[in-house]
Amino acid sequence: DQQVKQNSPSLSVQEGRISILNCDYTNSMFDYFLWYKKYPAEGPTFLISISSIKDKNEDGRFTVFLNKSAKHLSLHIVPSQPGDSAVYFCAASGAQGGSEKLVFGKGTKLTVNP
Amino acid sequence: NAGVMQNPRHLVRRRGQEARLRCSPMKGHSHVYWYRQLPEEGLKFMVYLQKENIIDESGMPKERFSAEFPKEGPSILRIQQVVRGDSAAYFCASSRTGDEQFFGPGTRLTVL
Repeated sequence: DQQVKQNSPSLSVQEGRISILNCDYTNSMFDYFLWYKKYPAEGPTFLISISSIKDKNEDGRFTVFLNKSAKHLSLHIVPSQPGDSAVYFCAASGAQGGSEKLVFGKGTKLTVNP
Repeated sequence: NAGVMQNPRHLVRRRGQEARLRCSPMKGHSHVYWYRQLPEEGLKFMVYLQKENIIDESGMPKERFSAEFPKEGPSILRIQQVVRGDSAAYFCASSRTGDEQFFGPGTRLTVL
């Protein structure tokens, strides 16, 4: 039973355009959500997070939106750059700050074309 | 400030051997987590430890797998009598209390 779902295995965008990565979850006990970026042969790198008490969090080119009623979150990257090409994982936790175990989606491979 | 360190980065074992994976958390971090990633899958939680204590081992297989985080030294994930299905990337993460988890580069285990 997959509690965190990333339904798009891959996404391709042009440099300078917006990248939108989506994530759905089923467990209503989740109250903290994170996005990680992963390059091949490396560990995931923390990108941005959002608490369930917010509906938006922004950090530079990265913005995460949370729709609790729909159990849906999305990561927006604008403008997209070739260096953003990586696999992006959505993760959820039942604890604020993510200090409990994280439940990950399967990832979306983003390719940003020059 | 060094990040989370894992060694070895690559480990090859024959079926039936033991695998030991080490993780040194970031300085100031007292929480350690182990995750496993199978090919084409997301990371799956295995175990959460604090110094000398296992907090949550709900993701650990019941047999052959064990983990520790001693008072001194790195955290160790131990897999006894490895089988081909244990081949995966094993990631360690660390955090301070209530903070985001930061991941190491992983150990890629191959069982022949």
